[in-house]
Amino acid sequence: DSGVTQTPKHLITATGQRVTLRCSPRSGDLSVYWYQQSLDQGLQFLIQYYNGEERAKGNILERFSAQQFPDLHSELNLSSLELGDSALYFCASSGSGPYNEQFFGPGTRLTVL
Amino acid sequence: GENVEQHPSTLSVQEGDSAVIKCTYSDSASNYFPWYKQELGKRPQLIIDIRSNVGEKKDQRIAVTLNKTAKHFSLHITETQPEDSAVYFCAASKQAAGNKLTFGGGTRVLVKP
Repeated sequence: DSGVTQTPKHLITATGQRVTLRCSPRSGDLSVYWYQQSLDQGLQFLIQYYNGEERAKGNILERFSAQQFPDLHSELNLSSLELGDSALYFCASSGSGPYNEQFFGPGTRLTVL
Repeated sequence: GENVEQHPSTLSVQEGDSAVIKCTYSDSASNYFPWYKQELGKRPQLIIDIRSNVGEKKDQRIAVTLNKTAKHFSLHITETQPEDSAVYFCAASKQAAGNKLTFGGGTRVLVKP
């Protein structure tokens, strides 16, 4: 157990819908990262928050957005879902230093039908 | 941005033999190189990492080497065991980019008993 929690574990929804994925980082970690893992794209960085502020952005679609709340949990919102959005979405957290390990949560498997 | 290439994509070895996975990166400013192991349906878990000021690091049967000049790093697993079967990902990051991880495409390792 990495100490990072994600809910829900599985999500099945239809095209065009909107979903919210939730992540709670390890106690004391200020940084939260979101990654998407699909079969043909591998692990892709989406976005990072540090202590409530957006720190870095990857190739995140405009239909996707995220935020980090004062209690440091984070939510990833995916809207106007397409079949291609089906993937495993991982959240990771880390401390503040330059060499801190990123601890991954168990992931949310999203299936868009 | 950073680009990480990983080879081979699949690797089959006999139990007890060694396995070597190689990665190259493009951004000379990257300074942290972790390796993650991911079992089917599970979260990526860090197995070893190396910083840019170190050339080699070893942890029991696992070792990582880094050549900053050539911008490549490698994972070596000796005396492989069936439980080493998994997908391995290399990654690179730099503090200036918020420490986001750029992953290689992954190597599926199969250890045959």
